Amino acid sequence: DAKTTQPNSMESNEEEPVHLPCNHSTISGTDYIHWYRQLPSQGPEYVIHGLTSNVNNRMASLAIAEDRKSSTLILHRATLRDAAVYYCIPGSSNDYKLSFGAGTTVTVRA
Amino acid sequence: KAGVTQTPRYLIKTRGQQVTLSCSPISGHRSVSWYQQTPGQGLQFLFEYFSETQRNKGNFPGRFSGRQFSNSRSEMNVSTLELGDSALYLCASSLARTASTDTQYFGPGTRLTVL
Repeated sequence: DAKTTQPNSMESNEEEPVHLPCNHSTISGTDYIHWYRQLPSQGPEYVIHGLTSNVNNRMASLAIAEDRKSSTLILHRATLRDAAVYYCIPGSSNDYKLSFGAGTTVTVRA
Repeated sequence: KAGVTQTPRYLIKTRGQQVTLSCSPISGHRSVSWYQQTPGQGLQFLFEYFSETQRNKGNFPGRFSGRQFSNSRSEMNVSTLELGDSALYLCASSLARTASTDTQYFGPGTRLTVL
């Protein structure tokens, strides 16, 4: 499995953007990068995924470096509901398991 | 569409007992995966089932087992419970069309406490 490195924690003010970095230098050329988050007392939920180009959805944007060794999840306007642990997970083309790391704990200040 | 449901939500057992947890996937999803979450080890993959067959297994002892039924519902069983088995057990389902882009949908989990 490809290894990932994420900061342990990040803080943000409400209504401000949050940029969550992830290093995945050992990712293979065909593995997508997936992001999940886990709100307190809930199971993880899917946020976004991408392969090479930047991706946007209603929850967030994903910026992927040209060499694919890193990516950044962008929450454009953080709300209190975005306080969660965010996991960056390199996908696998061979199996359906998710290999979670420690993730980044995001705190949003009102 | 109903989400992934897990029963029971909370469970208290004593050492040496066994326990069975149940998971109902989202309608139409054929893959069910199980994960264990503890404060010390984080989220760890247990196993994945597709069409009643275990396709992948994590690094857990044989006391942890599972099965999937023809309606895609799944159960996991832990025998001879140990204190260290206290954890949140999460079930996730997916369409499993393509591994690389597969999205998993998680249930709320079953909180197991072993005394």
